[in-house]
Amino acid sequence: QVTLKESGPALVKPTQTLTLTCTVSGFSLNEIGMRVSWIRQPPGRAPEWLGCIDWDDQSFYTTYLKTRLTISKDTSKDQVVLQMTYMEPVDTATYYCARTLPYSGYDAWGQGTLVTVSS
Amino acid sequence: DIVMTQSPATLSVSPGERVTLSCRASQSVYTNLAWYQQKRGQAPRLLIYSATHRASGIPARFSGSGSGTEFTVTISSLQSEDFAVYYCQQYNDWPQTFGQGTKVEIK
Repeated sequence: QVTLKESGPALVKPTQTLTLTCTVSGFSLNEIGMRVSWIRQPPGRAPEWLGCIDWDDQSFYTTYLKTRLTISKDTSKDQVVLQMTYMEPVDTATYYCARTLPYSGYDAWGQGTLVTVSS
Repeated sequence: DIVMTQSPATLSVSPGERVTLSCRASQSVYTNLAWYQQKRGQAPRLLIYSATHRASGIPARFSGSGSGTEFTVTISSLQSEDFAVYYCQQYNDWPQTFGQGTKVEIK
């Protein structure tokens, strides 16, 4: 059974760095073509793709957040990590990790974790 | 960035009706397009990928069509469990982008 689960702080202060972990099971992060993305969704709004990391460690980021984002993985722990620097209240959202294979949509998602940015 | 525009924003329909939702891309994404259904408090669920392929476990009443810049998803006979928000997403180009969604509500 394929599962993904996000973990991390529910509350961060403005200017702090957010670190979220996605722990996966039922598939390998090393499987050729495998990609895990981070996607966030502010309350009442559409999902927003943030970035991804591929099986071969290539990573891609959304344009306007590129300087604030780092996505890495630890295959020995089956984990993908998102770091987002300089958090602001507008970054308040539910953060999801999700997986995909080439030419396919995101067929498995984590439950999401709500991150609130407030002092 | 490729902008995905969905229409309408909200659709009020009765159970049993046929529903067609639209998604337009600001430039060609070929068939690299997915549709998702999202219910309140849940993660999005993949319905359609590669514009026309139903994902595993998705009922046959859902169908996708289109290529290039114009796409649709059709629900042939709306069931009570289909009332939700629907999003399209392109994965042809970086960054991947989502539409703003269409809410299907009970009439």
